[in-house]
Formats: sequence, structure tokens, C-alpha cells
Amino acid sequence: GESVGLHLPTLSVQEGDNSIINCAYSNSASDYFIWYKQESGKGPQFIIDIRSNMDKRQGQRVTVLLNKTVKHLSLQIAATQPGDSAVYFCAENGPSGNTGKLIFGQGTTLQVKP
Amino acid sequence: GAVVSQHPSWVICKSGTSVKIECRSLDFQATTMFWYRQFPKQSLMLMATSNEGSKATYEQGVEKDKFLINHASLTLSTLTVTSAHPEDSSFYICRASSGSPDTQYFGPGTRLTVL
Repeated sequence: GESVGLHLPTLSVQEGDNSIINCAYSNSASDYFIWYKQESGKGPQFIIDIRSNMDKRQGQRVTVLLNKTVKHLSLQIAATQPGDSAVYFCAENGPSGNTGKLIFGQGTTLQVKP
Repeated sequence: GAVVSQHPSWVICKSGTSVKIECRSLDFQATTMFWYRQFPKQSLMLMATSNEGSKATYEQGVEKDKFLINHASLTLSTLTVTSAHPEDSSFYICRASSGSPDTQYFGPGTRLTVL
């Protein structure tokens, strides 16, 4: 079946550096993408989303880039802080369109070293 | 902001018993509830989608008679794990949606341990 995947299972960065988390999606019909942050033992927390009619969207310290040509999504975190340590998931709406269903990637663990 | 709660936050039960997990949207009407299961160090797997007042739609491979979902009101959905077994031990998470992409939130999750 179609799936969303992440290139690296673990990313370790120094506090203050920028982090880039990548995601490859396989469903060309997806037009909505979301990045979530999940801390241990908690539910996923919305970070930022982007629609397919955009290729970049910025939030507070975060930027999401979408490359539809190669079906690639990335999350950039500026000045990474220890509190950013968590598992990050990308999600796409897949062929379901606007039904609200989301397909999740496998997740990348971000470790921030002080 | 909008909040989704789950109860209980964790539960331990004996094999063969049933466990009910509640998911509530506290300040918006959730027309759709999504239930996910997450095993350790794995991603979220969608189990079923329920629309208020309708029968839930289950994903392939999820036993509807084992995982009973009720969505009787716009603020409450329940997931009942019937005749639980140790392999059902997992982190169960709901996601409530009003239908708008801007109003959809995950609950904090429920840790189920079946002995």
C-alpha cells in the first residue's frame, strides 16, 4: 500500500543549530500535509501544515518545504532547543482527499545535545 | 485552544476482560473521530473512523467486533477493546475533527497494558 516514510530514524543536533527532518511521500493525490511532534507518552502535537498549492510555509522557528516534483517534505527547525527533543511525524491526506484521514510516516527521533 | 481529552490515561487489565476508552472534545463539536493505535517506537496506525451518529469505518485488518467504537454525540466517542489480550497492549490515541483542517486535535492517548 501507499505510505509516507522518513529518510532517517534518528537525528542528533547540537543545541542552537538548525535541524532538518525529511519525509518522502508516495501518494501523488495528497494535497495536504502536516508535521506533528510527539513527546514520550503523549499524543501528537500539531506543528505546521502546508497545502499542495504552496511550496513553503513558515511558522515560529519552523519552516515546512514541499517539493511535489520529487514528493518530498521537510521540516526545518531554527535554533534547536532541548525542548524540541521528540519524535516528529509527517502526515498526508492520501487519496481520501478531504475526509480527514491522515497517513503517517514512520517518525524521526530528534535528539538535541546541550 | 481546543482540547481533546481521553480517559483513562492508562489502564492495566487482565486478559479476557474488556476496556472502554473515552475521547472527548471539550470546546468544539467533533463530527468525526479517528482512533489510532501506536506500538512502542512505531508510527500511528489508523484503526477506524467514526462519524457522529453513524457506524464506524474500520481499516483493513482491524476487527470491528473486537474494537467497538461508539460516537453517539458530537463531543464523545468511545473505543471498547473486548476480550483484551496481551497483544492488544498499546497506546491508543483519538483525533477529533470538526471537519475543518483547522479544527482537528489529538487526544493525549491511553496506555493499555493487558496482563
